[in-house]
Amino acid sequence: KQEVTQIPAALSVPEGENLVLNCSFTDSAIYNLQWFRQDPGKGLTSLLLIQSSQREQTSGRLNASLDKSSGRSTLYIAASQPGDSATYLCAQTSGSRLTFGEGTQLTVNP
Amino acid sequence: KAGVTQTPRYLIKTRGQQVTLSCSPISGHRSVSWYQQTPGQGLQFLFEYFSETQRNKGNFPGRFSGRQFSNSRSEMNVSTLELGDSALYLCASSFRLRTANTGELFFGEGSRLTVL
Repeated sequence: KQEVTQIPAALSVPEGENLVLNCSFTDSAIYNLQWFRQDPGKGLTSLLLIQSSQREQTSGRLNASLDKSSGRSTLYIAASQPGDSATYLCAQTSGSRLTFGEGTQLTVNP
Repeated sequence: KAGVTQTPRYLIKTRGQQVTLSCSPISGHRSVSWYQQTPGQGLQFLFEYFSETQRNKGNFPGRFSGRQFSNSRSEMNVSTLELGDSALYLCASSFRLRTANTGELFFGEGSRLTVL
């Protein structure tokens, strides 16, 4: 059974701090790894997609890496802002479905 | 370019009723997937449709069904509603290759179903 684990479950940091969110997955036959953001009561916003042949992707202050051999992905957020407060979810694609982690609830305090 | 559109956004039903939710994918996307999100179970895969055919199905009872139309719009139906069906139902679309879904998924805002 595919499993995705995210650590930590919750994180509270002061504004301006750099932070790392972790994602572990068990399925080595991963097609890609996608990071999402979800605001309360809203849908999911795609942040970054890393194809299985890639090692990392960057978008603005966000950088995501993928290490298939260790079954890990990290999302790095630089210079965090209060607007970054949300739940961050990682999901692996194997075939035609996504398997999601439970998410990391991030709070950035002004 | 319009995003994924889900209707209705909110609805309240009673046990035993049925509900139909609609999803319009991003223009050009032919794959539509459905997910259920609850506080206890998180996000769980329901099914995926591509070219009007169900390509994959999650571990949900037969009360949950779906279909896809020739314009790629999709509907999901839940019959004989139970209290535990209360959830946020999310639809995602992607530009899927025929052999596998390796593309980026884009989600709608969801339909929040409350079963009383």
